[in-house]
Amino acid sequence: QVQLQESGPGLVKPSETLSLTCTVSGGSISTYYWSWIRQPPGKGLEWIGYIYYSGTTNYNPSLKSRVTMSVDTSKTQFSLKLNSVTAADTAVYYCARHSDGYTPFNYWGQGTLVTVSS
Amino acid sequence: DIVMTQSPDSLAVSLGERATINCKSSQSVLYSSKNKNYLAWYQQKPGQPPKLLIYWASTRESGVPDRFSGSGSGTDFTLTISSLQAEDVAVYYCQQYYSTPPYTFGQGTKLEIK
Repeated sequence: QVQLQESGPGLVKPSETLSLTCTVSGGSISTYYWSWIRQPPGKGLEWIGYIYYSGTTNYNPSLKSRVTMSVDTSKTQFSLKLNSVTAADTAVYYCARHSDGYTPFNYWGQGTLVTVSS
Repeated sequence: DIVMTQSPDSLAVSLGERATINCKSSQSVLYSSKNKNYLAWYQQKPGQPPKLLIYWASTRESGVPDRFSGSGSGTDFTLTISSLQAEDVAVYYCQQYYSTPPYTFGQGTKLEIK
């Protein structure tokens, strides 16, 4: 059974860079698409972007200028960096898997809360 | 961006009764040549990640009880729970994966027991 686990600092200072990693276990990272999705406390879901195992990326235009994603197939991990964060970036961040660019998210991590505060 | 609008925002239904949640997209998510609607439904319980229930607007994900069903085409979609169980209390989201970037979600519908 595929499992995804987010990891990274739970507290980030304003103007700094949020960095998270998603570790995939129980399955291959190859041939799948890997997304990051966030959810501010008490609010809805916002897709941040995806990375294909080959390294191809596709970002939400609303965040594109601040987002970088990368993948390490040898470690079965992929990562998110979001720079110049503000309090509005406080959210639970989820990683998720989908089969291609036009399929839904069928596996999700448990999520990790990142708070932006000084 | 395709805007997804759900109705109602919240809903209270008695145990054993039918629950209906609607989702409207700002443009069609039907890929005509494939005759598929690129629309999914998720269930999110408190403290948990969303769980995929329905994809292609009406196909149940493996393991999802058959009291959950999806219908609709083009821009108007419905998630129906035929006989509400206590464990169905959750927030439900629709999502389009027709046009990316970005994938977009509805604002969510909170389902409670009356």
